[in-house]
Amino acid sequence: EIVMTQSPATLSVSPGERATLSCRASQSVSSNLAWYQQKPGQAPRLLIYGASTRATGIPARFSGSGSGTEFTLTISSLQSEDFAVYYCQQYNNWPVTFGGGTKVEIK
Amino acid sequence: EVQLVESGGGLVQPGGSLRLSCSASGFTFSSYAMHWVRQAPGKGLEYVSAISSNGGSTYYADSVKGRFTISRDNSKNTLYLQMSSLRAEDTAVYYCVKPYNWNSNWFDPWGQGTLVTVSS
Repeated sequence: EIVMTQSPATLSVSPGERATLSCRASQSVSSNLAWYQQKPGQAPRLLIYGASTRATGIPARFSGSGSGTEFTLTISSLQSEDFAVYYCQQYNNWPVTFGGGTKVEIK
Repeated sequence: EVQLVESGGGLVQPGGSLRLSCSASGFTFSSYAMHWVRQAPGKGLEYVSAISSNGGSTYYADSVKGRFTISRDNSKNTLYLQMSSLRAEDTAVYYCVKPYNWNSNWFDPWGQGTLVTVSS
């Protein structure tokens, strides 16, 4: 089973600033990586798949990059609605596995 | 609009059983594999189980293998998760999830979740 490790666990950012979240896979997952956003009391929402393709309706301030074992989710200018927990998920190998999450909080 | 609505969660004693349902609408249910993902309180996401579009193939995480059974009724557009021999560590919100495309293993959308609490 592929282990996904996200860092940092918590990221404190001021509104309008850039946030950079990392996700590392224990072995190569090619570009088969997705990112999800979860707000308190809500289900996760798909942001990115294929490491860099935004899902329908996702604002352009969200961007994903990376391949192999190292991935990044960047939020270019944080809005109030972006403060949430973000999870990465690999789907290159079965079973799919999720990272432990990064909480983006208001600084 | 695609909708997934879970039901059947609740409080159950250790060793007990519970059946979760997920009613699907807005897409051709019988064309998609379907999945369950769970989230323990304050914790991350854990992949639980999958079933192929026709129900002929299933997958279970090691943590639930032998205790949980996934099934579906394509005539009713409904996904099920029969849970037995429940343990405290099964306490979680259980999400029904649809693959983004018929052959993808990333998920969108997710249902709103149903809470299962295993406690005496």
